[in-house]
Amino acid sequence: DTAVSQTPKYLVTQMGNDKSIKCEQNLGHDTMYWYKQDSKKFLKIMFSYNNKELIINETVPNRFSPKSPDKAHLNLHINSLELGDSAVYFCASSRLDPGLALYNEQFFGPGTRLTVL
Amino acid sequence: AQTVTQSQPEMSVQEAETVTLSCTYDTSESDYYLFWYKQPPSRQMILVIRQEAYKQQNATENRFSVNFQKAAKSFSLKISDSQLGDAAMYFCAYSSQGAQKLVFGQGTRLTINP
Repeated sequence: DTAVSQTPKYLVTQMGNDKSIKCEQNLGHDTMYWYKQDSKKFLKIMFSYNNKELIINETVPNRFSPKSPDKAHLNLHINSLELGDSAVYFCASSRLDPGLALYNEQFFGPGTRLTVL
Repeated sequence: AQTVTQSQPEMSVQEAETVTLSCTYDTSESDYYLFWYKQPPSRQMILVIRQEAYKQQNATENRFSVNFQKAAKSFSLKISDSQLGDAAMYFCAYSSQGAQKLVFGQGTRLTINP
């Protein structure tokens, strides 16, 4: 069984279009993340959600809008796609133990390679 | 803000030999976690090893071990008996205690020569 899944795995689209990437986890985790890996392989956090609430928004343009319909899903919608949005987008999930200050391993999805032409 | 630096963009090693990947980080916190992730050509992110900053003992996982120097803010990964399957990008990462994000280094591409 796939723990963290993303669809689609590959996405090719024209500049100016709007697209969505879906993420689902079946691990029972309550925290989900989106990371962006650019063409130089640099990975950076974009968003994190805990129990469907936005916790982290790392100065990502407003064209990016995450949506968490429930704890098992975190989708990423991108409006007015630009050439610079071409990257691999990774979804991840983990369990959060508030107050315990523990780190719980983040499990990553397979990534979605977005190419904007 | 925390930063993670990997100063070796590329490394290569002969099969069965030992290689060490370097990582330094900057933080003002005393409690945190450090990780090494492997990303093979399949691009799947795989956790290799993790270290809790409060633990003095270096973490080991089979052929993988770390040299954690807290005062120097250094966290290197040693791979012993390198195998062809170890070829990948390796990322060093940092997380604050209780934080909800990983801060990654730039990555090191490791090549294994047969």
